[in-house]
Amino acid sequence: AQTVTQSQPEMSVQEAETVTLSCTYDTSESDYYLFWYKQPPSRQMILVIRQEAYKQQNATENRFSVNFQKAAKSFSLKISDSQLGDAAMYFCAYRSAMNNNAGNMLTFGGGTRLMVKP
Amino acid sequence: ETGVTQTPRHLVMGMTNKKSLKCEQHLGHNAMYWYKQSAKKPLELMFVYNFKEQTENNSVPSRFSPECPNSSHLFLHLHTLQPEDSALYLCASSRHDGRTDTQYFGPGTRLTVL
Repeated sequence: AQTVTQSQPEMSVQEAETVTLSCTYDTSESDYYLFWYKQPPSRQMILVIRQEAYKQQNATENRFSVNFQKAAKSFSLKISDSQLGDAAMYFCAYRSAMNNNAGNMLTFGGGTRLMVKP
Repeated sequence: ETGVTQTPRHLVMGMTNKKSLKCEQHLGHNAMYWYKQSAKKPLELMFVYNFKEQTENNSVPSRFSPECPNSSHLFLHLHTLQPEDSALYLCASSRHDGRTDTQYFGPGTRLTVL
């Protein structure tokens, strides 16, 4: 079974600075997807960024980028120019690319609470 | 409304009550999910429906009963719950066309069992 680990329960960053959230995972599969989701205090879970394991290029979405290290099974999220609205719980998640029911299942890490200081 | 909606947003119930949570997706998806989010625990997948057929029951107690009448609606029927069932229940949806696409989440129902 796959597992996802987020070793930082809480992180803080000064507004306008950069922060990196860590995520490691364990799998025996070679094809899969990785996600970062954001859950603000209002609780709506929002997709931040997605990475396909067969793509070597790191995904980017505006101020958000990932450092995907497949051999090390590491998938960190970098937030540049942090804003007050970035304060939230961040969840790393894994999904198999298999074409069966396993492809439906997301495995989540325990989350990292990000605080942004003005 | 767009996206994934859930009602009610908050629910307080006694252990002998019967209640239902409702989820509706407006994204044209055909797979829907129930997750449980407890404090200090990772999100736990409870049920998966593809094309209205239940394809996953992640060892959930029978006091939770899902229903998926069509691809847009998903219910979670609750009866004789325990205080430890208090949690945030999240619904999600996605496409399922061979390689399932990204899941989109609703705002959740905060359930308190007294």
